[in-house]
Amino acid sequence: QLQLQESGPGLVKPSETLSLTCDVSDDSISNSAYYWGWIRQPPGQGLEWIGSISESVNTRYNPSLESRVTIAADTSKNQFSLKLTSVTAADTAVYYCARHKGRALDVWGQGTMVTVSS
Amino acid sequence: QSSLTQPRSVSGSPGQSFTISCTGTSSHLGFYNYVSWYQQYPGKAPKLIMYDVSKRPSGVPDRFSGSKSGNTASLTIFGLRVEDEAEYFCCSYAGSWLFGGGTKLTVL
Repeated sequence: QLQLQESGPGLVKPSETLSLTCDVSDDSISNSAYYWGWIRQPPGQGLEWIGSISESVNTRYNPSLESRVTIAADTSKNQFSLKLTSVTAADTAVYYCARHKGRALDVWGQGTMVTVSS
Repeated sequence: QSSLTQPRSVSGSPGQSFTISCTGTSSHLGFYNYVSWYQQYPGKAPKLIMYDVSKRPSGVPDRFSGSKSGNTASLTIFGLRVEDEAEYFCCSYAGSWLFGGGTKLTVL
C-alpha cells in the first residue's frame, strides 16, 4: 500500500531555508503517470498547494511562492524534497506531501509541523 | 491567486442532506471539470472523497455526491452521520491547484 512520509526540522529560523523530504514506499517517483506534490496548512487555516514534480524533472510551482521554492527528486532513494528560502513566520504550517492521480491528490502523508521562529 | 470561496461553517442534523458550495472563477474552477473534494478530521491529513467533479474514489460511500454548475462546485452529503463531522476542502485544477478555505461541518 502506497505510503508517504515527511521528515525534516520542526523549527527553522527566520530568513533561513526550510528543507523537507518525502519518502515514498510502494510506488516509484519515476512513474510518469503521477505528479508528487507539497501542500501546506497554516494553523487553523486552509490548504495551499506549493508545487509538484513529475518524472523527477518536470516541476510546477504556485506562482505566489515560485521565487522561493525548489522541488527536487532523488530516484535512488525514491524520495522528493522541498526547499523554501527566506522563510518568515507566515511560512509556519503543517507541510504535507502527496501524490497526484489525474488532477486530484489521492494519497497524502501524515504531515509535519514546521515553525518559523528565532 | 486567491482561494476558492467556501462557507466557513455549516451545521446539520443526522439524517439530513446537506450541500457545501465552492465558488471560483471562469478561468479556474469554471474552466475545467477538475474539481476535487477532501475531508479532514482534526489533526489528520486530508482524504480525497471526490474527484473530477463527481467521481468517488473506491471506499467512499455513495452518500457523497459532487456536481458543478458554471463557476460553482457542490458537495452534497445525503443522510448525514455523526462521523461526517469534519472540515471539507474543495480544490480546482487549471494548470495549477487552488484550494478553497474549507468548510467546517458540524453534525448536531
